[in-house]
Amino acid sequence: AQTVTQSQPEMSVQEAETVTLSCTYDTSESDYYLFWYKQPPSRQMILVIRQEAYKQQNATENRFSVNFQKAAKSFSLKISDSQLGDAAMYFCAMDSNYQLIWGAGTKLIIKP
Amino acid sequence: GAVVSQHPSWVICKSGTSVKIECRSLDFQATTMFWYRQFPKQSLMLMATSNEGSKATYEQGVEKDKFLINHASLTLSTLTVTSAHPEDSSFYICSARRGQGGGANYGYTFGSGTRLTVV
Repeated sequence: AQTVTQSQPEMSVQEAETVTLSCTYDTSESDYYLFWYKQPPSRQMILVIRQEAYKQQNATENRFSVNFQKAAKSFSLKISDSQLGDAAMYFCAMDSNYQLIWGAGTKLIIKP
Repeated sequence: GAVVSQHPSWVICKSGTSVKIECRSLDFQATTMFWYRQFPKQSLMLMATSNEGSKATYEQGVEKDKFLINHASLTLSTLTVTSAHPEDSSFYICSARRGQGGGANYGYTFGSGTRLTVV
């Protein structure tokens, strides 16, 4: 079965510090996409970053970067220089057969 | 670009009535759209996948006759909750897949969600 696991229900970080959110997944596919989505209190799902499995280079988007370890099936998200606006639920998702498989989410709290 | 408009954003209805939720892709054609349900503090639960011009594919445990999905055009999918009951109260989110796998534009865009309260 294809699964996505986020083992951290909640994380907190001091403003301006760096935090890493964990995500592991399981699939028998060799080519797939991985995503991190942010869901703020408004509940609008916002794409944070996308990684294509066949690309070895880790994706980056400004303060957001991933550590993609294909062999270990790990896809962690690093947020640098955390800001108050980063407070949200973060979901890891895997695109399997053109359908998203979701992790349970991690609530990120930013301490001012 | 790649905007999905979902309406209404919130709705309150009486038990036994039906409610229709619309999901429109504004600047791209969405061959495939997805409908999710999200309970408080939980992840998204896929209800069904709709493809333009064909019947929706429902996930196991989702009642087809209660949650009617129509995807009549490449830009519009609707979810109708029929004979709604309090247990149907939830947050419903639509999503549209855009682009082709392997393309730079490939991904999923989400509507802003609909909070349904059945009283």
